[in-house]
Amino acid sequence: EDQVTQSPEALRLQEGESSSLNCSYTVSGLRGLFWYRQDPGKGPEFLFTLYSAGEEKEKERLKATLTKKESFLHITAPKPEDSATYLCAVQDRWGSQGNLIFGKGTKLSVKP
Amino acid sequence: EPEVTQTPSHQVTQMGQEVILRCVPISNHLYFYWYRQILGQKVEFLVSFYNNEISEKSEIFDDQFSVERPDGSNFTLKIRSTKLEDSAMYFCASKPGQGTDEQYFGPGTRLTVT
Repeated sequence: EDQVTQSPEALRLQEGESSSLNCSYTVSGLRGLFWYRQDPGKGPEFLFTLYSAGEEKEKERLKATLTKKESFLHITAPKPEDSATYLCAVQDRWGSQGNLIFGKGTKLSVKP
Repeated sequence: EPEVTQTPSHQVTQMGQEVILRCVPISNHLYFYWYRQILGQKVEFLVSFYNNEISEKSEIFDDQFSVERPDGSNFTLKIRSTKLEDSAMYFCASKPGQGTDEQYFGPGTRLTVT
């Protein structure tokens, strides 16, 4: 069964304190791994797609990396506006129309 | 920037009543999805829709649920007889087409069943 596990569940950082979020996955065949940001009461906002081990994507203070079993979302010098829940999702290669399997998310709080 | 829109933002209904949740996907997108998120839990896939038919559905999407694209812009989710456990945020998502995997989500409809 396809599965996505994210850790930690919650992370509190001081502004400027860099850290990483983890996403471990189990799928029969990975088509893609996705990172989304979700603010309270809002829909997930797309951040990155990663397809193969070794791939990296960057956007402002965020960098996503992928291995064969996990992905990391690195946050460099975070600011309070980076506070949100970060969701990881996978798409099974064998899934017909690309439904996403989500993890529970990591709730990030950045204090000034 | 184009975005997925959903109405209403919040729907309160009594158990056993029918509800219709509405979505306007991004124009020129071809694939449409419904997901739900029970408070404090994961976002869960319900159904995908392409070329005017359901292409995949989860175990959650039983006979009480149906989807429709009644015109060229709207995409609806109907729950025929709501249960307390249907209370959740319902998200619509869309993606452009083959070769593009990113799904773009709407802001959600919070459904409260009393």
